Amino acid sequence: DTGVSQDPRHKITKRGQNVTFRCDPISEHNRLYWYRQTLGQGPEFLTYFQNEAQLEKSRLLSDRFSAERPKGSFSTLEIQRTEQGDSAMYLCASSSLTGILYGYTFGSGTRLTVV
Amino acid sequence: AQTVTQSQPEMSVQEAETVTLSCTYDTSESDYYLFWYKQPPSRQMILVIRQEAYKQQNATENRFSVNFQKAAKSFSLKISDSQLGDAAMYFCAYRSRNSGAGSYQLTFGKGTKLSVIP
Repeated sequence: DTGVSQDPRHKITKRGQNVTFRCDPISEHNRLYWYRQTLGQGPEFLTYFQNEAQLEKSRLLSDRFSAERPKGSFSTLEIQRTEQGDSAMYLCASSSLTGILYGYTFGSGTRLTVV
Repeated sequence: AQTVTQSQPEMSVQEAETVTLSCTYDTSESDYYLFWYKQPPSRQMILVIRQEAYKQQNATENRFSVNFQKAAKSFSLKISDSQLGDAAMYFCAYRSRNSGAGSYQLTFGKGTKLSVIP
């Protein structure tokens, strides 16, 4: 068990480009979450998967954002036509069905800078 | 909707001393979880301590303890015998225990940056 892995750690992109981030949860965790954290703020919920099903999406997740979790394993978060306001740390977390009692295990995040 | 407020943007403590970080929250629910997370610079967020709202006893994990006041909707974190490695951002978080929409979301405060002075 190597924890929750996120790739890349850092991404710099030009405005208007598309970016994709990957998250590999703890292998036995069937729940996966994406959060966004901007400077000086706490993380904000974006979306949640149970296995391969995306069960909840925040209103923060505009049409330019899409998340997938094929086969209920790793997940990807894609941002199309990036804007400067998308610059943030994107955090992935996972939990098991019963382990939710113990909070989530977070990854180290992907820091996105849109220039 | 639930909200979490951390009124102290920054705190400092002398090494080996005790510090208390404040957190208040607003909810209409009676059953929920509260958490304190630690986020060191450029490192992942880790769970420090959790509290279940139906439990009256305050949670304790080694040098970390909470003061949970359900009626006042207050959930403070006390760090005893502070160490240099405790320096980090600390986030208070809320999660509903009810099933249904929104129940799996963690709602975070804005965080408190803790500095430990040698």
